[in-house]
Amino acid sequence: RKEVEQDPGPFNVPEGATVAFNCTYSNSASQSFFWYRQDCRKEPKLLMSVYSSGNEDGRFTAQLNRASQYISLLIRDSKLSDSATYLCVVSGHTGGFKTIFGAGTRLFVKA
Amino acid sequence: DAGVIQSPRHEVTEMGQEVTLRCKPISGHNSLFWYRQTMMRGLELLIYFNNNVPIDDSGMPEDRFSAKMPNASFSTLKIQPSEPRDSAVYFCASSFHRNAEAFFGQGTRLTVV
Repeated sequence: RKEVEQDPGPFNVPEGATVAFNCTYSNSASQSFFWYRQDCRKEPKLLMSVYSSGNEDGRFTAQLNRASQYISLLIRDSKLSDSATYLCVVSGHTGGFKTIFGAGTRLFVKA
Repeated sequence: DAGVIQSPRHEVTEMGQEVTLRCKPISGHNSLFWYRQTMMRGLELLIYFNNNVPIDDSGMPEDRFSAKMPNASFSTLKIQPSEPRDSAVYFCASSFHRNAEAFFGQGTRLTVV
């Protein structure tokens, strides 16, 4: 089992749709969680951190479920510019520090 | 701030040659990471430094790879000798703390022929 798993997609949605991504992680001692966005042939960029209480940034909502060991990202009112790959990131210090990136979920938003 | 700066942006080299990738982290950041990204394996952490000291190099694929951080503003990743399977995009990233968000450079696209 991979340490961080994501559905690779692709997710093809129309503009204005709501789309949700999930990510599961195997290390229960993980401490920090993030969603990154990566555009084609570009570097990953932080989209948002994920907090235990859940957090929202405009059209984006991230949630963490420690009991079930998954994090989620919800995008409301999708825009064409949201088309990208979304990477789930989990880090912590267990037997040595590790930051693990998921393989990413590809999203295509169409007009 | 200029962000994380990597050079070169593109590198094409012949198998067996030495390749050196360079990185300048964001000033004030004390953690630096080298990643490799391929279609098959995704984004892999190769090594990370904290306060210029290598902390975890378990991701370094083999002895052909080495990384140094002689000071807080510069790091190198060296491959000697290079092989075609080393072809990938190599990213350098830095963060204020190892558990904080990481800022990535634009990457070096390496092609070994």
